[in-house]
Amino acid sequence: GGIITQTPKFLIGQEGQKLTLKCQQNFNHDTMYWYRQDSGKGLRLIYYSITENDLQKGDLSEGYDASREKKSSFSLTVTSAQKNEMAVFLCASSIGRGTSQNTLYFGAGTRLSVL
Amino acid sequence: AQSVTQPDARVTVSEGASLQLRCKYSYSGTPYLFWYVQYPRQGLQLLLKYYSGDPVVQGVNGFEAEFIKSNSSFHLRKASVHWSDSAVYFCAVSAYGNEKITFGAGTKLTIKP
Repeated sequence: GGIITQTPKFLIGQEGQKLTLKCQQNFNHDTMYWYRQDSGKGLRLIYYSITENDLQKGDLSEGYDASREKKSSFSLTVTSAQKNEMAVFLCASSIGRGTSQNTLYFGAGTRLSVL
Repeated sequence: AQSVTQPDARVTVSEGASLQLRCKYSYSGTPYLFWYVQYPRQGLQLLLKYYSGDPVVQGVNGFEAEFIKSNSSFHLRKASVHWSDSAVYFCAVSAYGNEKITFGAGTKLTIKP
């Protein structure tokens, strides 16, 4: 089996600050995802990547950047944190390879609070 | 564009009773459909998925779902719930050749003793 590791587990930032979240997977999966989870709004896709150095925008990409320099890692940057923002950011991976039938495996999440 | 609607934000069911959690999707082609579950203080995990064949798919822990194309629905069912089924359930949709996976808002299930 494999694991998805998200760091940090908790992130406290200041309004306007640039914040970076990291995700590592050892499944050797091709596709990786970043979702934002807000209470009552479910999971909203921010970015996904089908292979190293690929980036695809999701439905909530404005205000975020992403980077996939290695197959095993996928980072997300909040370009300017919003005051009183609170959310959980979830990283996931799947085998990929173009079929989209594949199971997503999720990390434990990074909980963001902005003061 | 693809989307998912879970019309019930919260559902409460008595232990031992049957359960249906509703999911409606929007996608012009043939969708792939998923149900994921998030137990308290745990990560999301797959419950079941449909991509072809028999429209009734079985999942873990006695859950099943039925794909009804004419109704654009993929409702989740269980014949008899247990207290341990208390969790948040998410329906999701994707399509062949597109790795984008879109989730609904989730339904929080509470089981009454």
